Amino acid sequence: GQQVMQIPQYQHVQEGEDFTTYCNSSTTLSNIQWYKQRPGGHPVFLIQLVKSGEVKKQKRLTFQFGEAKKNSSLHITATQTTDVGTYFCGSGGGADGLTFGKGTHLIIQP
Amino acid sequence: DAMVIQNPRYQVTQFGKPVTLSCSQTLNHNVMYWYQQKSSQAPKLLFHYYDKDFNNEADTPDNFQSRRPNTSFCFLDIRSPGLGDAAMYLCATSRGRGSRTEVFFGQGTRLTVV
Repeated sequence: GQQVMQIPQYQHVQEGEDFTTYCNSSTTLSNIQWYKQRPGGHPVFLIQLVKSGEVKKQKRLTFQFGEAKKNSSLHITATQTTDVGTYFCGSGGGADGLTFGKGTHLIIQP
Repeated sequence: DAMVIQNPRYQVTQFGKPVTLSCSQTLNHNVMYWYQQKSSQAPKLLFHYYDKDFNNEADTPDNFQSRRPNTSFCFLDIRSPGLGDAAMYLCATSRGRGSRTEVFFGQGTRLTVV
């Protein structure tokens, strides 16, 4: 997979606030995958984006892939305590190997 | 139903004593991966197989080896574990050729080196 940079590393929000994490690459990406890892758990696939400018929604989560296919974002509206965890973006998968960004740790204060 | 199964969940080994971690899958996926994840860090890809074709990441230490005797099973061998090898080891699978396939992770084996 291709190298990706992810920011911020940590994000503290009050419950009910919105949250966004960003993933960037210096090269054009073939795809972006997003995973969530709960504390003590393993990464779980959320979604894959492959098309330029693609936007996908899953309930309160909105995923975007940039027009140049060099950046992506995950936005959570009105966070809940169940959203706690680390969100990773990654590129690749399949025979190429999936390479993760450093992840964003989401901490929610009730 | 568990699809990627790792055993054991917790493994304690002595410094320098070889250890093997096991992974099996019921998904019949072509690709199997091993990742190392240290506390508060991202999973780091060590190597992966496409069927029997082995792909080693450039920075994976020689101390780490892998075997895949058949589609369902994959093993991670650490020949001489050091204290720095203490980590969570994640096995994962994905289907088919190409980069656009979801990766399924096992629950991991947490390795402690004493």
